[in-house]
Amino acid sequence: DADVTQTPRNRITKTGKRIMLECSQTKGHDRMYWYRQDPGLGLRLIYYSFDVKDINKGEISDGYSVSRQAQAKFSLSLESAIPNQTALYFCATSEGGRGGEQYFGPGTRLTVT
Amino acid sequence: GENVEQHPSTLSVQEGDSAVIKCTYSDSASNYFPWYKQELGKGPQLIIDIRSNVGEKKDQRIAVTLNKTAKHFSLHITETQPEDSAVYFCAASTASYDKVIFGPGTSLSVIP
Repeated sequence: DADVTQTPRNRITKTGKRIMLECSQTKGHDRMYWYRQDPGLGLRLIYYSFDVKDINKGEISDGYSVSRQAQAKFSLSLESAIPNQTALYFCATSEGGRGGEQYFGPGTRLTVT
Repeated sequence: GENVEQHPSTLSVQEGDSAVIKCTYSDSASNYFPWYKQELGKGPQLIIDIRSNVGEKKDQRIAVTLNKTAKHFSLHITETQPEDSAVYFCAASTASYDKVIFGPGTSLSVIP
């Protein structure tokens, strides 16, 4: 089984709808991240969390919110989706402290029409 | 904040040739520089990293070099193979790994 899973893998939604993307990990890591990938812009950090009680904004948090339900679960919400939020979204985890490697999920392709 | 630039954005090489991808960073406090490979339909995966206390690191056909004075670091792939075709991202971070800032990516195509 994959260490980092994301659901759904693909989603098409309409402008104005609320949508939640979910991430689960079995690596036992404390740190979790949400990134957005757009062609030519690389990976941009939306939010990150170093433990269940810690939530931090990244480079592009406007229009997004997150919830860290447990050490293993970190969800990303779009309260009112807009077309320029169409992108590939990745969740990642890391052990922090002992090393910088991040482990990425397979991604969620979100299309907002 | 940190800014990471990466060149070229696309690169095509013949199988067996070498490929070089170059990155620059802006924050002199950065001291951890990972490289990630993203295959089609998958999430990025770490392939090699370097810390500021070394200037070069090799792992089989892959090597990274770091010039802290110039704030440059590069990825070198020798004897390229078709399975090296992917998007490669450089990144920079401080030792606390609070945030990893990624470059925009290089799409590498290895032509058989």
